[in-house]
Amino acid sequence: AQSVAQPEDQVNVAEGNPLTVKCTYSVSGNPYLFWYVQYPNRGLQFLLKYITGDNLVKGSYGFEAEFNKSQTSFHLKKPSALVSDSALYFCAVSGRYNFNKFYFGSGTKLNVKP
Amino acid sequence: DAGITQSPRYKITETGRQVTLMCHQTWSHSYMFWYRQDLGHGLRLIYYSAAADITDKGEVPDGYVVSRSKTENFPLTLESATRSQTSVYFCASSGGELSNQPQHFGDGTRLSIL
Repeated sequence: AQSVAQPEDQVNVAEGNPLTVKCTYSVSGNPYLFWYVQYPNRGLQFLLKYITGDNLVKGSYGFEAEFNKSQTSFHLKKPSALVSDSALYFCAVSGRYNFNKFYFGSGTKLNVKP
Repeated sequence: DAGITQSPRYKITETGRQVTLMCHQTWSHSYMFWYRQDLGHGLRLIYYSAAADITDKGEVPDGYVVSRSKTENFPLTLESATRSQTSVYFCASSGGELSNQPQHFGDGTRLSIL
């Protein structure tokens, strides 16, 4: 079965420390990978995507993600967390040419404490 | 710059009633999507549309009906609402032909079925 997993329901980090939000996937072929962020009572906002090429992808608000094909992972990272980064983060994966195979993880709540 | 708007933002109805959730986008994007968001499940695709008059089922289509007579509108109808359809519903759109394009989300409709 094709899917995406976010193993941590919640991640707590102190402001100024680096953060990592984990994502692993199980999709046949070469998938496209995405990260989205959701603030309370809002829709999801696109952060970054991996299509092909460099395994380190840079996105909005200082976030980046590292694609690791051997570990089938696509972890979201930021060198120095801000309190304003506190939100719900979703990893998503899609198969090529198949919109009905666009899968979201269950989400990870990031709490950044001052 | 309205982007993608959903209405209503909040709706309470009773089991057995018909309810329609509206979605309107101003980008002329080809693709539109409906998701439901439930705790522990992330987002699950209900239906999607590749263009006007072209729709297809997603992961959880049962109990829902969609139509797309105009490119900019993609209403979702619950013909006979059930309590299990209590959820937050998100509409999204994408301008790409391939599934490597990010989706742009509305702010959601919180639907409660009593």
